[in-house]
Amino acid sequence: DVKVTQSSRYLVKRTGEKVFLECVQDMDHENMFWYRQDPGLGLRLIYFSYDVKMKEKGDIPEGYSVSREKKERFSLILESASTNQTSMYLCASRGTGSSGNTIYFGEGSWLTVV
Amino acid sequence: GENVEQHPSTLSVQEGDSAVIKCTYSDSASNYFPWYKQELGKGPQLIIDIRSNVGEKKDQRIAVTLNKTAKHFSLHITETQPEDSAVYFCAASINYQLIWGAGTKLIIKP
Repeated sequence: DVKVTQSSRYLVKRTGEKVFLECVQDMDHENMFWYRQDPGLGLRLIYFSYDVKMKEKGDIPEGYSVSREKKERFSLILESASTNQTSMYLCASRGTGSSGNTIYFGEGSWLTVV
Repeated sequence: GENVEQHPSTLSVQEGDSAVIKCTYSDSASNYFPWYKQELGKGPQLIIDIRSNVGEKKDQRIAVTLNKTAKHFSLHITETQPEDSAVYFCAASINYQLIWGAGTKLIIKP
């Protein structure tokens, strides 16, 4: 089974702090994603990556950056956390080829910025 | 760009009854339509999907129908059970980019 692991399930950070959300997948998937989930707004794409060291902006990249130094790991960085970034963050991965459409999600990271 | 609308936002049905969730999309080039289920405290998980060359697909108690002309697709759950309670997301895909609906919270009443 594909496993996408988000290292932190619940975090509380102060305004202005730098926040790292880490994600690791074990299926050698090329594509990795960071989404933000808010009630009534569905899943909004922050950033995605097609390969190591490659990144593309999604729909709401402002205030975020990402890092993909290794194929299995995709990190989301909040350079200076703000209260409007309080949300649930979902990491996901997807392979290519015959299974290239299925996205596998992690369990989510609940971030509260106070 | 593509836009996906999902209705209703909340659906409450009696256990054993059927539930239907509908999504509409705007871009006729969309060719892949998955449905994901998110249980409380977990990430979404794919439950069924359909491609644009198929009108209907069924997997036990769940089915998805696609009307390309009207640009809408629906999730049907029959004989609902308590474990069907969850948030359901639809999505439409063009060139492997998924555009998501806002989600439907399905409540199964005992």
